[in-house]
Amino acid sequence: EVQLVESGGGLVQPGGSLRLSCAASGFTFSSYEMNWVRQAPGKGLEWVSYISSSGSTIYYADSVKGRFTISRDNAKNSLYLQMNSLRAEDTAVYYCARDGEVGASAFDIWGQGTMVTVSS
Amino acid sequence: SYVLTQPPSVSVAPGQTARITCGGNNIGSKSVHWYQQKPGQAPVLVVYDDSDRPSGIPERFSGSNSGNTATLTISRVEAGDEADYYCQVWDSSSDPWVFGGGTKLTVL
Repeated sequence: EVQLVESGGGLVQPGGSLRLSCAASGFTFSSYEMNWVRQAPGKGLEWVSYISSSGSTIYYADSVKGRFTISRDNAKNSLYLQMNSLRAEDTAVYYCARDGEVGASAFDIWGQGTMVTVSS
Repeated sequence: SYVLTQPPSVSVAPGQTARITCGGNNIGSKSVHWYQQKPGQAPVLVVYDDSDRPSGIPERFSGSNSGNTATLTISRVEAGDEADYYCQVWDSSSDPWVFGGGTKLTVL
């Protein structure tokens, strides 16, 4: 079964750090581009970051540039998001999503999400 | 950055047709994808590249894209279609992957 499973969310104080992980299974992880997408409580979807299949190309949303770092370990079938200098407005469910097998940059597989709460 | 505009809500009776729009500057020149998100669940891709359906998505879901408006059409709406729907495009701007604000579909 093709699957993405996020972990690492939790409660963190403003200015703190957190590292999210996304474990992939059921497909050849190293062949796919990956993304992080977040959703603040009661709000819509917001794209956060992209990484190419080899890790050589990376993009960030302006809202997280300079604070978040995306990475991947193809040997471990894992995607990561290092989040530093966290702010209250970073509170959201964070999803990893595969840039897929179909479509032009359509996200065809999503994880179940991990909740990040930034609060004192 | 590129902006996608969706109506906040659409209501339709069971068995009728729901149309959810996604507006953007010359969106007809881009590939539009649509996602369905039910409460407490992750989004699911229901239409990609304007009008194609992933495997497992019912034929009741279809899409079109022209000019400044893309449309997701759900025929013979069922209670189980009640969800939030988001459009998405890729744009060569500061935030390349853009989502619309989402539309809540209510089945009356």
